[in-house]
Amino acid sequence: NAGVTQTPKFQVLKTGQSMTLQCAQDMNHEYMSWYRQDPGMGLRLIHYSVGAGITDQGEVPNGYNVSRSTTEDFPLRLLSAAPSQTSVYFCASSKHFLLQGGSNQPQHFGDGTRLSIL
Amino acid sequence: GQNIDQPTEMTATEGAIVQINCTYQTSGFNGLFWYQQHAGEAPTFLSYNVLDGLEEKGRFSSFLSRSKGYSYLLLKELQMKDSASYLCAVRGDSNYQLIWGAGTKLIIKP
Repeated sequence: NAGVTQTPKFQVLKTGQSMTLQCAQDMNHEYMSWYRQDPGMGLRLIHYSVGAGITDQGEVPNGYNVSRSTTEDFPLRLLSAAPSQTSVYFCASSKHFLLQGGSNQPQHFGDGTRLSIL
Repeated sequence: GQNIDQPTEMTATEGAIVQINCTYQTSGFNGLFWYQQHAGEAPTFLSYNVLDGLEEKGRFSSFLSRSKGYSYLLLKELQMKDSASYLCAVRGDSNYQLIWGAGTKLIIKP
């Protein structure tokens, strides 16, 4: 059972570079999301998607783009990396809390991508 | 604004009981989650509360009081492997997204 797979696990970028963090899930989950986790702060939502072709902004979307062409994949793109984007990034998926008739659907997380911007 | 508060760090002894508190102020309430996160790893789901009262799952229990905006996670018979951060998250009304606390780092001493 693969669950949620994120690649790469570690990445170092220079300021101004762009890159894509990959996320794939094999649980047929409708809902997928990207978070960043910084010391002393809660997980902050960057972007999310409730199904293929549908994406929306979270709390901290600036500097990031997403797309959802398939149910399985939800890549996160950094357009022009900045030192403030140094963080640990987590992708998560779940059954849709509304479609499944309840809000109790837990999110399943990938192992994270540790990103450093120099 | 929306806010979730948890203690930053707690220390407990192996074999003992510890209670980790979480207070929240959110726009609406559609359930509260507890997650465990070991250092360098992903968060994993522990429990969910949407009605007032206690939910028990083995050594772990979670309590909710919606009128007080308060929850706690109770860990019994502590083991060294319980050393981790414990994250509280509330599903509010704003697009039903989860709002996360900063987490409580639990240190277990022998």
